[in-house]
Amino acid sequence: DGGITQSPKYLFRKEGQNVTLSCEQNLNHDAMYWYRQDPGQGLRLIYYSQIVNDFQKGDIAEGYSVSREKKESFPLTVTSAQKNPTAFYLCASTRDRGSEQYFGPGTRLTVT
Amino acid sequence: DAKTTQPTSMDCAEGRAANLPCNHSTISGNEYVYWYRQIHSQGPQYIIHGLKNNETNEMASLIITEDRKSSTLILPHATLRDTAVYYCIVRVRETSGSRLTFGEGTQLTVNP
Repeated sequence: DGGITQSPKYLFRKEGQNVTLSCEQNLNHDAMYWYRQDPGQGLRLIYYSQIVNDFQKGDIAEGYSVSREKKESFPLTVTSAQKNPTAFYLCASTRDRGSEQYFGPGTRLTVT
Repeated sequence: DAKTTQPTSMDCAEGRAANLPCNHSTISGNEYVYWYRQIHSQGPQYIIHGLKNNETNEMASLIITEDRKSSTLILPHATLRDTAVYYCIVRVRETSGSRLTFGEGTQLTVNP
């Protein structure tokens, strides 16, 4: 079945450590996105990539980094510079810029 | 992208129609109305979108007023599994990055 996978579902880290969240899609979609969601809030865009080897900052990129070396993969690194990293992280993809977005199941990151 | 206003929460009896309103009084002529929903701790799911005509698919119907300043998502026969947060989003379909701006949505609770 085609879809977006994010792993792991739950992730725990100590403060000061970098952590990388995985996002893979087999939908052959060009564009991929990372969002962050805090309790009771909507989604906020962190980074997005419309094509391999290219990506742009979203609304809250500080403290995060991404790479897009392959069409299928768009990993997100939460660095120690992110002041409040505990959140629910969602990855999404679209076929092209005008299409609806398909979301992965999310990774819940807890940093203590 | 235009701002949207939705009620914070709504209740609906199982088997009845759920009508979720959305105000988007500052919508531009080239902005579409999109609806997504998010079941607790999962990624959002695309439901439907429209420009000015009413739309229907296997999940829901979308009614857009003639002046396009508001819309209603209709779930014709709500089930317990339709309990979720429903997001109304307006955006230009062909914008770079295809970004979605999520508000806080409407928590729909379907009661048995």
